[in-house]
Amino acid sequence: DAGVTQSPTHLIKTRGQQVTLRCSPKSGHDTVSWYQQALGQGPQFIFQYYEEEERQRGNFPDRFSGHQFPNYSSELNVNALLLGDSALYLCASSLWDRGDYGYTFGSGTRLTVV
Amino acid sequence: DQQVKQNSPSLSVQEGRISILNCDYTNSMFDYFLWYKKYPAEGPTFLISISSIKDKNEDGRFTVFLNKSAKHLSLHIVPSQPGDSAVYFCAASGGHYGGSQGNLIFGKGTKLSVKP
Repeated sequence: DAGVTQSPTHLIKTRGQQVTLRCSPKSGHDTVSWYQQALGQGPQFIFQYYEEEERQRGNFPDRFSGHQFPNYSSELNVNALLLGDSALYLCASSLWDRGDYGYTFGSGTRLTVV
Repeated sequence: DQQVKQNSPSLSVQEGRISILNCDYTNSMFDYFLWYKKYPAEGPTFLISISSIKDKNEDGRFTVFLNKSAKHLSLHIVPSQPGDSAVYFCAASGGHYGGSQGNLIFGKGTKLSVKP
């Protein structure tokens, strides 16, 4: 039973560019949340998707956007990259109706902006 | 302004002894708390949680204590094992959103080293 899969594992982008990160949730999960973990910090909530809609959003600018597909997989897009966007991006999947905090995290995508 | 604080960046403990990791929070609306464990190159793994209506929850070697009046929680690991060496994150939630989990607010983490 595959857990949460994220791709790519690492990538390097230039300031000003755009990037798309991908996430496949754990089998049976229907909700995807994205977190940003900067070096030396804890994960910070970006947004959450369920039924292809953004349900909650953290304190991140509009440069951060997302999408959820009918198969529950999700993408995180970041436009106009800044050096400060360099971080580990974590995807977490869960079951909407379960009502608890049974998140399963992926191993993350390490984004470096130069 | 950090709402969840882990003031000890690191902790070193001898194998077999007790490890105590601490976490403080500022928002009295938090009603659910969790501990996650993270190894390098892996995502956080859920360890144990506690609802604000309880003051203790146990799962094997792991026990979480919650002191609501002090806005403080702690994770006890007894006995500590070398495989417990990892970064431990404390997280809090303000409650459910609709039918789902609310977003989690994490501390900065404490790196635990258990020496053989």
